[in-house]
Amino acid sequence: DAKTTQPNSMESNEEEPVHLPCNHSTISGTDYIHWYRQLPSQGPEYVIHGLTSNVNNRMASLAIAEDRKSSTLILHRATLRDAAVYYCILDGNTDKLIFGTGTRLQVFP
Amino acid sequence: EAQVTQNPRYLITVTGKKLTVTCSQNMNHEYMSWYRQDPGLGLRQIYYSMNVEVTDKGDVPEGYKVSRKEKRNFPLILESPSPNQTSLYFCASSSWEGGNEQFFGPGTRLTVL
Repeated sequence: DAKTTQPNSMESNEEEPVHLPCNHSTISGTDYIHWYRQLPSQGPEYVIHGLTSNVNNRMASLAIAEDRKSSTLILHRATLRDAAVYYCILDGNTDKLIFGTGTRLQVFP
Repeated sequence: EAQVTQNPRYLITVTGKKLTVTCSQNMNHEYMSWYRQDPGLGLRQIYYSMNVEVTDKGDVPEGYKVSRKEKRNFPLILESPSPNQTSLYFCASSSWEGGNEQFFGPGTRLTVL
């Protein structure tokens, strides 16, 4: 299974944009790039996913590099509620999500 | 409201006493799975089911059983729990199309003494 690499932690101030990076240099052509987040004391929550093109939804944007070996989750205006662990996951069309340790995002008022 | 429910949310039990953690989804999803989450290890898949009567092992299936008699339910069974099964358990479901969103339950915190 292709692996992802994320920084252990990041910090942001409230209402600032946050760019969460993810490297996935061994990604295969059929792997979707998923982002989930886990708020304290809750189950993981879907954020966004994409295959090749950049994607936007109400929660975030996903920017995918042209060679697909990296991607960036963009939170346009961080809020305190966005403090969570963010997981970048590759899904090879199997629905089996392999979670790493993710990036712990801290948001300061 | 579309959701995945788990019961119980918290359970303290003793070694060897059989227990079942229930999981139910109301989205008519084909795919369901169980994960356990341990500090420093992230979430690891225990078992998954691609549809009724179809189940398969994930990465850490030892000591667990599952069944899928109905589409909406996917119980996790610990026949003889041991302390190393103390963990936070999550059930998830999705429709069976690649790249689809998985919905997770709220988690069950299990302590085996």
